[in-house]
Amino acid sequence: VHLVESGGGLVRPGGSLRLSCSASEFTFSNYEMSWVRQTPGKGLEWVSYISGPGSVIHYADSVQGRFTISRDNAKNSMYLLMNSLTAEDTAVYFCARVSHEGATFDYWGQGTQVTVSS
Amino acid sequence: QTVVTQEPSLAVSPGGTVTLTCASNTGAVTSDYYPNWFQQKPGQAPRALIYSSSNKHSWTPARFSGSLLGGKAALTLSGVQPEDEAEYYCLLYFRDAQLWVFGGGTKLTVL
Repeated sequence: VHLVESGGGLVRPGGSLRLSCSASEFTFSNYEMSWVRQTPGKGLEWVSYISGPGSVIHYADSVQGRFTISRDNAKNSMYLLMNSLTAEDTAVYFCARVSHEGATFDYWGQGTQVTVSS
Repeated sequence: QTVVTQEPSLAVSPGGTVTLTCASNTGAVTSDYYPNWFQQKPGQAPRALIYSSSNKHSWTPARFSGSLLGGKAALTLSGVQPEDEAEYYCLLYFRDAQLWVFGGGTKLTVL
């Protein structure tokens, strides 16, 4: 299993950014996926979830209405469109595979840094 | 707001045993919350250790074990090794609210 995030960078407050997660070595469409972020001060925070077909989506309250998760199973990829970014969104963003057992995240990417600053 | 609480830090001697716990402000942690445990070392992504309270992944060393203890989820390390020094996070799944919540993490120091 291999997960690689990309798309992070420096963005100004109020700006937007689109993260990508490229998956390989497993049947991507068969797995639910999530985004998790990590800030130095707050530790790990679950951000969003998407089902295998992409028909079921959930968000943490902190990003609801600002972030949009999506996936393209033909491209073995998942995305996170982040709008109206604030300094509180500064974090390393990880994509993670949701295991078929136990509501856990069994495999993680290495993360991509998002910095929101003027 | 759902808050999951862990010990901020613990210390253990090599070869010793230590138990980390995970509590929820919503009440007792049960198997319904599918308690998970992760290990994270500096500069690395979290690594899954335990799922559904006590189940190990294929890569989880035998010295790690998970349980439910006194209304909390627990992670016990027996025969601690120097390489076990890391941050440990628990994760609970709240099915009704359809969200996951991480604990604040426990920094484990192997003295």
